[in-house]
Amino acid sequence: GESVGLHLPTLSVQEGDNSIINCAYSNSASDYFIWYKQESGKGPQFIIDIRSNMDKRQGQRVTVLLNKTVKHLSLQIAATQPGDSAVYFCAEKWTTDSWGKLQFGAGTQVVVTP
Amino acid sequence: EPEVTQTPSHQVTQMGQEVILRCVPISNHLYFYWYRQILGQKVEFLVSFYNNEISEKSEIFDDQFSVERPDGSNFTLKIRSTKLEDSAMYFCASRVQGTLDTEAFFGQGTRLTVV
Repeated sequence: GESVGLHLPTLSVQEGDNSIINCAYSNSASDYFIWYKQESGKGPQFIIDIRSNMDKRQGQRVTVLLNKTVKHLSLQIAATQPGDSAVYFCAEKWTTDSWGKLQFGAGTQVVVTP
Repeated sequence: EPEVTQTPSHQVTQMGQEVILRCVPISNHLYFYWYRQILGQKVEFLVSFYNNEISEKSEIFDDQFSVERPDGSNFTLKIRSTKLEDSAMYFCASRVQGTLDTEAFFGQGTRLTVV
């Protein structure tokens, strides 16, 4: 039968503005989270990670915020550039799973406009 | 910069045929994974492999699937008798050993098309 693809939420951002991508994760017992970027036809590319004992972590132009109370993860990209256009996935690792087994979210399509 | 490499980039196969997807993980990494992504869908975990054995596998990874590290550098995924629904992008990933979680590095993927 025909498989129906997910309808990805899309975030349209003007170049130079800040982007905020949100993710609701599934398991309150998850202890590790990663944001990946996936460009068309390529594999997921690591952006930033955060462990559950933290609520904020900063990288170069990116910040991840973790709110365990409401099981929410966000990725902030400062001064968004055209090269930031991609699908962004949050991924979580459940404490009951082996290291490296990740549960991926559905993804958000980010479109950067000039 | 070291990277995970996968071959071929695209594989077309007839239903019922066997396929082998190949991966060369990053050289000092000891944990290896296969994930797949059906077009337009989430990336899904298939299997993890450490110390020459499967650590964990998903319900997708049935008897038709197997993994092997034949020579200390390659890591392969074999599908014995492909079905149409096996059509997907297959990603290999690896991570360095550690007591804390570290990120998995993904390859560019092999697009498998079963006709």
